[in-house]
Amino acid sequence: DAGVIQSPRHEVTEMGQEVTLRCKPISGHDYLFWYRQTMMRGLELLIYFNNNVPIDDSGMPEDRFSAKMPNASFSTLKIQPSEPRDSAVYFCASSFQGSSQPQHFGDGTRLSIL
Amino acid sequence: GQQVMQIPQYQHVQEGEDFTTYCNSSTTLSNIQWYKQRPGGHPVFLIQLVKSGEVKKQKRLTFQFGEAKKNSSLHITATQTTDVGTYFCAAGGKLIFGQGTELSVKP
Repeated sequence: DAGVIQSPRHEVTEMGQEVTLRCKPISGHDYLFWYRQTMMRGLELLIYFNNNVPIDDSGMPEDRFSAKMPNASFSTLKIQPSEPRDSAVYFCASSFQGSSQPQHFGDGTRLSIL
Repeated sequence: GQQVMQIPQYQHVQEGEDFTTYCNSSTTLSNIQWYKQRPGGHPVFLIQLVKSGEVKKQKRLTFQFGEAKKNSSLHITATQTTDVGTYFCAAGGKLIFGQGTELSVKP
């Protein structure tokens, strides 16, 4: 079975550019989560969706960040404009039947903003 | 909001030694989960504990949930180099991850 699929795996771009990260959850999972991981702040939950509807976006850093889930098999996390402090590994995860159920993570996107 | 505190932050052991990481919360937890993240990898779910005082084993790994459901531990017996990585506990209605314990094993 395919796991959570994220793209791109690596992204290097200059500050001010728009960045779009993509995620395909495991088929049948109804919860999708976006995390950011840095050495300083650890693994932070940014936003999560249930049945494509955003439930909690309290972790989204600021208005430069936005996330969408247009259908059950696709989500995007967008940063516009990007800043060097956004450099991190961004993980997408999905789970079945509950936000506190075991989560399956993608391989992550390593983002570097120059 | 709910927080889970993990200690220690780092642990360096000789291969064959035991290792334990602890997770503590100021509030009662409905359940707790443990994840392992290899260097350069992504978190991988290991186990979920739900019942007070619960103990579960996976080969050399032993997981415990405290009687008051406010703490948990992960113990590895006779560590191997394949155990290297960061171990996270996570809890709450929307999973909040602890800071993790980074384990290094010297062969």
